[in-house]
Amino acid sequence: AAGVIQSPRHLIKEKRETATLKCYPIPRHDTVYWYQQGPGQDPQFLISFYEKMQSDKGSIPDRFSAQQFSDYHSELNMSSLELGDSALYFCASSSPGDDIQYFGAGTRLSVL
Amino acid sequence: AQTVTQSQPEMSVQEAETVTLSCTYDTSENNYYLFWYKQPPSRQMILVIRQEAYKQQNATENRFSVNFQKAAKSFSLKISDSQLGDTAMYFCAFMKQLRRNRDDKIIFGKGTRLHILP
Repeated sequence: AAGVIQSPRHLIKEKRETATLKCYPIPRHDTVYWYQQGPGQDPQFLISFYEKMQSDKGSIPDRFSAQQFSDYHSELNMSSLELGDSALYFCASSSPGDDIQYFGAGTRLSVL
Repeated sequence: AQTVTQSQPEMSVQEAETVTLSCTYDTSENNYYLFWYKQPPSRQMILVIRQEAYKQQNATENRFSVNFQKAAKSFSLKISDSQLGDTAMYFCAFMKQLRRNRDDKIIFGKGTRLHILP
């Protein structure tokens, strides 16, 4: 069965650079969620989209932005990267008839 | 606001033993889900088991079962006949049960690191 696809799997950036993380939800899933998991931490909710509209927002820095496109894939854009942005970024998706969020394998971002 | 508390940062048990991981939560919601997620060294987030708050029967998935005490806001995970592959970080998590309002983010506890010893 198809799963949530995240790319890239690993990303290394310098401070003050920009990064774009991509998420491809399971087919026919209309909702996408982004979570950030710092080293040794639990995942923290960043932002979600339902039918291409932002549906909820968590502790997402102003330097980050995200959107969901017409094909339901989502991108998380991160600018002016800081050392503290180094983390594992998960994307999850869910469908209209099922409240379960299915997680991708994550993108590991390292800011040097 | 919802909170999830896991009071056991780390646990170790021998292979084939039974282990119970504790979780308490706080919410004013009446309809919600509770989950246990497993995160092995690969860091993949794997759903182990799900419990809907309106269901009195405790959820079971093979060797994994929960003890859901709604009044006490307690949600423990029992792993029977533990295996080496069960070694992982386990997160207890909460999510509101909603329909069209998509305020359905998952709130995670701090996790319990479980070591299964050979």
